Amino acid sequence: AQSVTQLDSQVPVFEEAPVELRCNYSSSVSVYLFWYVQYPNQGLQLLLKYLSGSTLVESINGFEAEFNKSQTSFHLRKPSVHISDTAEYFCAVSPQGGSEKLVFGKGTKLTVNP
Amino acid sequence: DSGVTQTPKHLITATGQRVTLRCSPRSGDLSVYWYQQSLDQGLQFLIQYYNGEERAKGNILERFSAQQFPDLHSELNLSSLELGDSALYFCASSGLLSGGPGDEQFFGPGTRLTVL
Repeated sequence: AQSVTQLDSQVPVFEEAPVELRCNYSSSVSVYLFWYVQYPNQGLQLLLKYLSGSTLVESINGFEAEFNKSQTSFHLRKPSVHISDTAEYFCAVSPQGGSEKLVFGKGTKLTVNP
Repeated sequence: DSGVTQTPKHLITATGQRVTLRCSPRSGDLSVYWYQQSLDQGLQFLIQYYNGEERAKGNILERFSAQQFPDLHSELNLSSLELGDSALYFCASSGLLSGGPGDEQFFGPGTRLTVL
């Protein structure tokens, strides 16, 4: 079985500040890792994913995440946030070699203030 | 717009009733997933169908059932509804290209169910 822990339920930051949203997972098998974003009153959108290869993955809007196998972590970072980044961010894992179901963390609500 | 549509957007009903939520996946996607999002449980996987067949089951109650039809749309049936079933129900689809693990899941806008 898999579980995902997002250590911060809410993260307030000022515009142009850096941010890190933390994600740790537990699994008895290898997993694929994802970050999804949910804007108010909308469905989830994939932000980035790690399947294999380079442990640092990037999104088109400036976010990046690094897979750390020894620490079972997949933290999301952005060096300078914008007001439009205000949303809820979900870390998720999917077991390799099995169902493609996603196991989500509880989410981190990122609020960017002017 | 993800290309996944869900109807209805909102549903208000009473305890003990039965409802059906509908999902149309992206054109060509073979896999459909159902998730429940509630304040206390967060986002939980309920069930997956692939090309009409059940592929995986998660924390889905026996009062809930789903199916995927030949045209690939899916329905989630919730019966004997309880107050605790109030939640946002998402449908997602994947599998346009390879249908394998790690494929991006595209989420619909959700159906908000309120049980009074």
